[in-house]
Amino acid sequence: EPEVTQTPSHQVTQMGQEVILRCVPISNHLYFYWYRQILGQKVEFLVSFYNNEISEKSEIFDDQFSVERPDGSNFTLKIRSTKLEDSAMYFCASSAHLRGQGISGVSYEQYFGPGTRLTVT
Amino acid sequence: GQSLEQPSEVTAVEGAIVQINCTYQTSGFYGLSWYQQHDGGAPTFLSYNALDGLEETGRFSSFLSRSDSYGYLLLQELQMKDSASYFCAASPGGFNKFYFGSGTKLNVKP
Repeated sequence: EPEVTQTPSHQVTQMGQEVILRCVPISNHLYFYWYRQILGQKVEFLVSFYNNEISEKSEIFDDQFSVERPDGSNFTLKIRSTKLEDSAMYFCASSAHLRGQGISGVSYEQYFGPGTRLTVT
Repeated sequence: GQSLEQPSEVTAVEGAIVQINCTYQTSGFYGLSWYQQHDGGAPTFLSYNALDGLEETGRFSSFLSRSDSYGYLLLQELQMKDSASYFCAASPGGFNKFYFGSGTKLNVKP
C-alpha cells in the first residue's frame, strides 16, 4: 500500500540554525501539506502546495518557513532560523483531490506521513 | 476566527458505544473530516461529511448538521485498540486549508 514517508524521524538542532524536513508524498497525489503538532496539542495547518506553488498558508507560516518540490518526488519544508518554539512534530500529508471536481468522486482523505520530531535547543 | 470545539476526554468500556461531538465556527465551510491518532503516531483518516446526515463505515459513523454547525463521530462495539485521540477537521474553502479541533482523548477500559 502506498504511503507518505518523511526523513529524518528525529532532528535536533540549535536555535538559529536552518533545518530541512523532507517528505515523499504518494506518487499520484496532487495536493501536499505540512502540519505541525506541539506535544499534547492539536494539529496545526502550516501550508498547502498544488501545481508547484503554495495554495494556502496559515499565520504560522511566516518568512522563516519555505516549501519546495525540488524534483518529481520530494517535498521539503525549510525553517531558516529555528527558534525554541519551533520544537514540535512536523507532519507531511498528501491527498488526491482534483481541483474543479464536484463533491461526488472527490477524495477528501489526507494521508499523513509518520512525522519528524524537531527539537530546538 | 476559526474554532472547532471537542470534549477533551471521554472514557468508555469495551463493547460500548461512544459519541464524540464537534462544533465548529469557520468562515466558509466545505466539509468535516475525522482523524484518529494513537500516541506517538500520525493522524489517520476515518471519515468525511460534506452533506447533512450520517455516513457509516464499519464500526464508525459520522454525522453532520450544517445548520447547527455540528458533527459527531460515533464508535460502536468499542475495542481496546480504539483508545486514541480523535480530531475533527474542517475545510473552510476547498482542499487547500484544514483546521483541526483540539482533539478528544478516548480511553477504552476493559
